[in-house]
Amino acid sequence: QLKLQGSGPGLVKPSGTLSLTCTVSGDTIMSSSYYWGWIRQPPGRGLEYIGTVYYTGTTYYNPSLRSRLTVSVDTSKNQFSLKLTSVTAADTALYYCGRQLDFYGSGIYSPFDSWDQGTLVTVSS
Amino acid sequence: DIQMTQSPSSLSASVGDRVTITCRASQSIDNYLNWYQKKPGKAPNLLIWATSTLQTGVPSRFSGSGSGTDYTLTIDSLQPEDFATYYCQQSYLSLTFGQGTRLDIK
Repeated sequence: QLKLQGSGPGLVKPSGTLSLTCTVSGDTIMSSSYYWGWIRQPPGRGLEYIGTVYYTGTTYYNPSLRSRLTVSVDTSKNQFSLKLTSVTAADTALYYCGRQLDFYGSGIYSPFDSWDQGTLVTVSS
Repeated sequence: DIQMTQSPSSLSASVGDRVTITCRASQSIDNYLNWYQKKPGKAPNLLIWATSTLQTGVPSRFSGSGSGTDYTLTIDSLQPEDFATYYCQQSYLSLTFGQGTRLDIK
């Protein structure tokens, strides 16, 4: 049974780097049918797509975050990661990692079908 | 960027009601439209993908339709567990969510 577990610091200082890791268990991150991505939800607001990585290392990023964002994969650990630089209070959010299943040929734009429980990250001094 | 606009932003209904939520894209998205249910403190739950395909395990009272730029999510005979926020998401070009529709009990 697939399980995703996000981890990382819950508090990051302004101008610092937000780093999160998602560990996948119960399935291989190297499946050709899956992509692995991140979304976030700021307090009291809606969902925002962050970025996606394929096991080969191919990535796609939300254009509004692209200049600050790196999403990477470590197949030896069955993990993928998020790094967001130069954070501000606007980056305070509940961050979710998830699996994107290529149901119908959307590729790296595939919908999310499984998630972790979310990691709350607060940007504050 | 493709913008997604949901309506209404909030909706009050009773158990047993039929409700419809609409999502409009800023350009045609060729049926690459997905719907999620989100409850506070829980991860989103994929309900429908590719406009009308019910995700495994989702009750049949949920249905989706649409084409081009306009899409709808319909919930027949609302159940207590259906009160939540619903988001549409286009996956035609990048991934963009609508702003959400909060469904609460009248």
